[in-house]
Amino acid sequence: DSGVTQTPKHLITATGQRVTLRCSPRSGDLSVYWYQQSLDQGLQFLIHYYNGEERAKGNILERFSAQQFPDLHSELNLSSLELGDSALYFCASSVVTSSTEAFFGQGTRLTVV
Amino acid sequence: GQQLNQSPQSMFIQEGEDVSMNCTSSSIFNTWLWYKQDPGEGPVLLIALYKAGELTSNGRLTAQFGITRKDSFLNISASIPSDVGIYFCAGSNTDKLIFGTGTRLQVFP
Repeated sequence: DSGVTQTPKHLITATGQRVTLRCSPRSGDLSVYWYQQSLDQGLQFLIHYYNGEERAKGNILERFSAQQFPDLHSELNLSSLELGDSALYFCASSVVTSSTEAFFGQGTRLTVV
Repeated sequence: GQQLNQSPQSMFIQEGEDVSMNCTSSSIFNTWLWYKQDPGEGPVLLIALYKAGELTSNGRLTAQFGITRKDSFLNISASIPSDVGIYFCAGSNTDKLIFGTGTRLQVFP
């Protein structure tokens, strides 16, 4: 158990819908990272938050957004969902801003039908 | 999106054999990491490399950071059934990880 908690574990939704994925980082970790894992693109960095502020953005679609709350948990919002958004979404956390010491959660498997 | 090139894509070996896998990049990275992912789980960090040429071991695992900072290899000695999974390399310069395409390892008794 990495100490990073992601909910829900599985999510099935229809095209055009909006979903929210939640991540609770390890106790004491200030950084939260979101990654998408799909069959054709592999593991791709989406976005990084540190202590409530956005630090870096990767290949994140405009339909996707994220935020980190004062209690340090983070949410990834995915809207106007398309079939191609079906993937595993991972959250990782670390104490500082370096992702090299980040611990990954078990992921949320999103299926868009 | 950017990905690092890993080889081989998959390996089928017998228990007790040694395994070697590689990762290459067209870009230089300050840090290289190796992760293992089991089905239904997130990646778990195995080894982190911070200096060019560095050779680091973690039990039966040994990894080296290439001198050019553009490649790395991971060796697993005396494989066991629980080594089954997907192994990913990842490079980092800042606060994000660029992952490799993965090597799927199957170990047969």
